[in-house]
Amino acid sequence: GESVGLHLPTLSVQEGDNSIINCAYSNSASDYFIWYKQESGKGPQFIIDIRSNMDKRQGQRVTVLLNKTVKHLSLQIAATQPGDSAVYFCAEKSGSQGNLIFGKGTKLSVKP
Amino acid sequence: NAGVTQTPKFRILKIGQSMTLQCAQDMNHNYMYWYRQDPGMGLKLIYYSVGAGITDKGEVPNGYNVSRSTTEDFPLRLELAAPSQTSVYFCASSRRQINTGELFFGEGSRLTVL
Repeated sequence: GESVGLHLPTLSVQEGDNSIINCAYSNSASDYFIWYKQESGKGPQFIIDIRSNMDKRQGQRVTVLLNKTVKHLSLQIAATQPGDSAVYFCAEKSGSQGNLIFGKGTKLSVKP
Repeated sequence: NAGVTQTPKFRILKIGQSMTLQCAQDMNHNYMYWYRQDPGMGLKLIYYSVGAGITDKGEVPNGYNVSRSTTEDFPLRLELAAPSQTSVYFCASSRRQINTGELFFGEGSRLTVL
């Protein structure tokens, strides 16, 4: 079936370094993608989104890259801070109703 | 502006018991959703609503029911609790359909069925 998955379940980076979190998707018809951040004990929080007609979108310290050829999505976090420690989920919109399909998540740990 | 509020935050149920998870949003969002999150897994959509009086099944609706009598409230009902329903439940809302804006999530309700 169609699914969204992540290459790495855990990622540990040094404070100040850049982080890259990857996500693979299998539905070539997906037209909208979102990255969420979930801190321990809290609900997911929107980070950034991108439509399928774009390859790159930048926010504050974050960049999302979309490679439709290989169906790959990545989230780049510049100058990673301890407050960035969380689980990061990618999600794709699937179907006419626009419901999201979430990946399993990558845990990002930032070492001081 | 509280956003999305869920109650209770924690609950333990015995097999066969029933309960309702409450969800309320004060952002006047038309779209509301219930997800469940199992350990190490992504969120799975249970039910969603595109407006008051309209609900529809998501990916994993079995064992649950919902209603949407007002724009603000979207309760999730478990009629006969089973161990497989042990999970963390998240309610979310959005102003428009999910290709033009983000979901706003509540802080979750952790349910254990013993």
